[in-house]
Amino acid sequence: NAGVMQNPRHLVRRRGQEARLRCSPMKGHSHVYWYRQLPEEGLKFMVYLQKENIIDESGMPKERFSAEFPKEGPSILRIQQVVRGDSAAYFCASRRTSGIDEQFFGPGTRLTVL
Amino acid sequence: AQSVTQLDSQVPVFEEAPVELRCNYSSSVSVYLFWYVQYPNQGLQLLLKYLSGSTLVKGINGFEAEFNKSQTSFHLRKPSVHISDTAEYFCAFKRAGGTSYGKLTFGQGTILTVHP
Repeated sequence: NAGVMQNPRHLVRRRGQEARLRCSPMKGHSHVYWYRQLPEEGLKFMVYLQKENIIDESGMPKERFSAEFPKEGPSILRIQQVVRGDSAAYFCASRRTSGIDEQFFGPGTRLTVL
Repeated sequence: AQSVTQLDSQVPVFEEAPVELRCNYSSSVSVYLFWYVQYPNQGLQLLLKYLSGSTLVKGINGFEAEFNKSQTSFHLRKPSVHISDTAEYFCAFKRAGGTSYGKLTFGQGTILTVHP
């Protein structure tokens, strides 16, 4: 049973470009979380999605950031017009059901904005 | 405001020595508590969790933690560390029930470095 997969593992973008980060949850998991880890900081919650629905996006910046989790395919975190401050590690976690099930984390995508 | 504070950003220790990584939390509601470990360039792995019951929780790799409600603490301990325990450790919580949707609130992390 493969774990949570994220790609790419490393992504370099120039200011103003778009970044697309992908997350494939574990098999049978229908809940996905995105977290961002800025340099020398802990992880900060961004958004929580279930299949085809955004449930909680309270941690997502209001502009330039969006997320989706379609019925088929991976969850996508999209950052438009990236700026240097977007450089961070972005982690995806998945969970089977609601409640107190453990979240399983992917290896992260490390975004560098030049 | 709900938050997690890890009191030490870095903890150096010699191999086979005991270690304690400190974590305090602030929350107006009941929480579940977690410790995660992150090895370089990897995702987070769950070490242990406190949901209810016994306040002493045992996890993987010989780690344990004790929940202290009066002091709002959840310190992580290991009686004898190995070189392979060198990693960054994160304390986290999520609200028990309510509408938090299971999102985790993390501390800033503690880098544990085990020296030979």
